[in-house]
Amino acid sequence: GEDVEQSLFLSVREGDSSVINCTYTDSSSTYLYWYKQEPGAGLQLLTYIFSNMDMKQDQRLTVLLNKKDKHLSLRIADTQTGDSAIYFCASRKGGGNKLTFGTGTQLKVEL
Amino acid sequence: GAVVSQHPSWVICKSGTSVKIECRSLDFQATTMFWYRQFPKQSLMLMATSNEGSKATYEQGVEKDKFLINHASLTLSTLTVTSAHPEDSSFYICSAKTGDEQYFGPGTRLTVT
Repeated sequence: GEDVEQSLFLSVREGDSSVINCTYTDSSSTYLYWYKQEPGAGLQLLTYIFSNMDMKQDQRLTVLLNKKDKHLSLRIADTQTGDSAIYFCASRKGGGNKLTFGTGTQLKVEL
Repeated sequence: GAVVSQHPSWVICKSGTSVKIECRSLDFQATTMFWYRQFPKQSLMLMATSNEGSKATYEQGVEKDKFLINHASLTLSTLTVTSAHPEDSSFYICSAKTGDEQYFGPGTRLTVT
C-alpha cells in the first residue's frame, strides 16, 4: 500500500521561510494535500495539487511536486508564530476516496 | 472553505457505556464522510468510510460491531462507540468529501474511565 513519510520536526525563526518535505511511494497518487493541525483541533486544508502540476502558489504557501522522485514540499514564506502547528501531507488516488497521511511535521517558529 | 462540525468536542464516559459522536457538514452536502482516530503525537488512522444511505466500509482491524457508523443524511454521520473501554480513549476526527477536497471536523476527545 501507499506509504507517506515526513520529517518529524522543523524549527525556524520568525520571518524566515519554512520548507516541509514529504515523500510518497505510490506513483498512481493523483492528488496531494497539505493539512495543518493546531493543538487539540482538527485538520485545516491548506492547499492541494494535482499530479500533473509541478507547482502551486497560494499567498504565502508554495507547493512543489517532483513526480519523478515522488517528493512533495510545502514552503511557507515569512513564517509567523501562528504558523506553529503540525503539518500533514496526504495522498489520494484518482477515483478513490481514501487519504493516506504522512506522519506529520511539527513546525516550531521561534522569535 | 467548507465547514464540518463535530459534537461533542469532548466527552468522558464510564467503561461499558456507549457514546455517540455526530459529524455534520454545515454548508455543503457530503455523500461520503470518513471517521479517523488519532493517538497522541501520531498521524490519523482511517477507521471507516461512510456513504449516505448505505453501510459503512471499515478498514482492516476496525471492529464494525464496536464502532457503529450511520450516515442518515447528506449532512450527518454518526459514530457510536459501544461498550467503551479505556483503550478506546482517543481523539476521533471526522471528515466530509466534496469534489476533490476533504474537510475535517474539529475532533472529539473521548476519555473512558
